[in-house]
Amino acid sequence: DGGITQSPKYLFRKEGQNVTLSCEQNLNHDAMYWYRQDPGQGLRLIYYSQIVNDFQKGDIAEGYSVSREKKESFPLTVTSAQKNPTAFYLCASSDWTANEKLFFGSGTQLSVL
Amino acid sequence: DQQVKQNSPSLSVQEGRISILNCDYTNSMFDYFLWYKKYPAEGPTFLISISSIKDKNEDGRFTVFLNKSAKHLSLHIVPSQPGDSAVYFCLMIPTNFGNEKLTFGTGTRLTIIP
Repeated sequence: DGGITQSPKYLFRKEGQNVTLSCEQNLNHDAMYWYRQDPGQGLRLIYYSQIVNDFQKGDIAEGYSVSREKKESFPLTVTSAQKNPTAFYLCASSDWTANEKLFFGSGTQLSVL
Repeated sequence: DQQVKQNSPSLSVQEGRISILNCDYTNSMFDYFLWYKKYPAEGPTFLISISSIKDKNEDGRFTVFLNKSAKHLSLHIVPSQPGDSAVYFCLMIPTNFGNEKLTFGTGTRLTIIP
C-alpha cells in the first residue's frame, strides 16, 4: 500500500529541547512538504523540497530545520528557537509533473510540557 | 496578504440538505483547484478537483463550481450526511507549478445536524 507515514502521532517537547518529526513516503514522489496547522488557521508552509538534497523555506521556517538525504524521507526538526511549537504538523508529497494531487500523512500533534 | 479566503469559518447544515462551501481568490494565475476534507487529528484527504478550463466537476454527492471571472470556487454537497462533518480546505495550484508555494484557504468547519 503506497502512502505517507508520519510518526509519532503525539509528541511532547520540554523547554529548550529539539524534537524531530518523521515523514516517510513510498509513492516515489519528488516533492515533499511540511505544513503546520493551528486552531482556526489555514495550513501554513514551513519547508518544502522538490528534489533530494535540496529544500526551500516556506512562509514560517524560523525555528525549524529539515533534511532531504533520501527521496523517501523528509524529517522536520523543531528547534528550541521555535517559541510557539504547539501545533498539528502535516507532511505531504506530490508529483506535480502529472498534475497529481497532494497526498498527506496522518499528522503529528506536538505539545510543549 | 491572503490570496485565498474562505469567509465562513463555520457552517451548520441540516442532514439531507445542501451544504455550500466557498473560496474566493485574488491571483488569476491559479491553474488547478482542489478541495480537501480534514477530520480532527488526521491528515486532510482529497475530495474533488477542477482545472481552470472547466466550470463544473461532479463526483457523486460532491460538485465543484469554478467562476473564473468572479475568482470564486465553491463546493456543493447534496444530500449532506453526518459523516460530512469536518473542516474543508480549498487548495489552489499556480500555473507556474515549479513554484511550490501552494496556497490553502483558511478552512471552513462544516457541522451536519442530524
